[in-house]
Amino acid sequence: DTAVSQTPKYLVTQMGNDKSIKCEQNLGHDTMYWYKQDSKKFLKIMFSYNNKELIINETVPNRFSPKSPDKAHLNLHINSLELGDSAVYFCASSPERGGRPIQYFGAGTRLSVL
Amino acid sequence: ELKVEQNPLFLSMQEGKNYTIYCNYSTTSDRLYWYRQDPGKSLESLFVLLSNGAVKQEGRLMASLDTKARLSTLHITAAVHDLSATYFCAVLPNAGGTSYGKLTFGQGTILTVHP
Repeated sequence: DTAVSQTPKYLVTQMGNDKSIKCEQNLGHDTMYWYKQDSKKFLKIMFSYNNKELIINETVPNRFSPKSPDKAHLNLHINSLELGDSAVYFCASSPERGGRPIQYFGAGTRLSVL
Repeated sequence: ELKVEQNPLFLSMQEGKNYTIYCNYSTTSDRLYWYRQDPGKSLESLFVLLSNGAVKQEGRLMASLDTKARLSTLHITAAVHDLSATYFCAVLPNAGGTSYGKLTFGQGTILTVHP
């Protein structure tokens, strides 16, 4: 059983399109995250939700909008895609808010904007 | 703003040799993580270091934390090809429980082990 699963694994799209990436975790965790990994492998947090509440919102363009329908799901919607959005997006989850969280990562979604 | 720096960024090792990867960070923290990433794959948690002087070992890898020096090390003993991967350290700042798991990652160290 995959603990943190993301779909799709690959996403190729044209500039200006709108796309969504879905994430689900079956670990019973309260907190979920989205990270972006650029072409130089640098990983940076974008958003975090705890029990459907937004708790981390880094400086990202407002074209990126996370949505958490329940604590097991955190989706990422991106409007008006740009070339610079090409990256690998990782979803993660952790069992606690603060405290001693270990974050478990999904397999990643490789987004290519043409 | 918390900064996390790893060195070296690239490491080419011969099998059987030892080496150390260093992770420096800029703010008070007693929570440091090491992750491994294989090409095209996800991040796998290797070690969690939660106090000054913490040392964890798994196979040929040993991680330590010195919170006073704001330094963690990942030591590789008698490297084998299977250890080839990218290794990340990541830090959670001490913030009275308000960090909410906001991990800040180092740049990653690409390790290649060759015969």
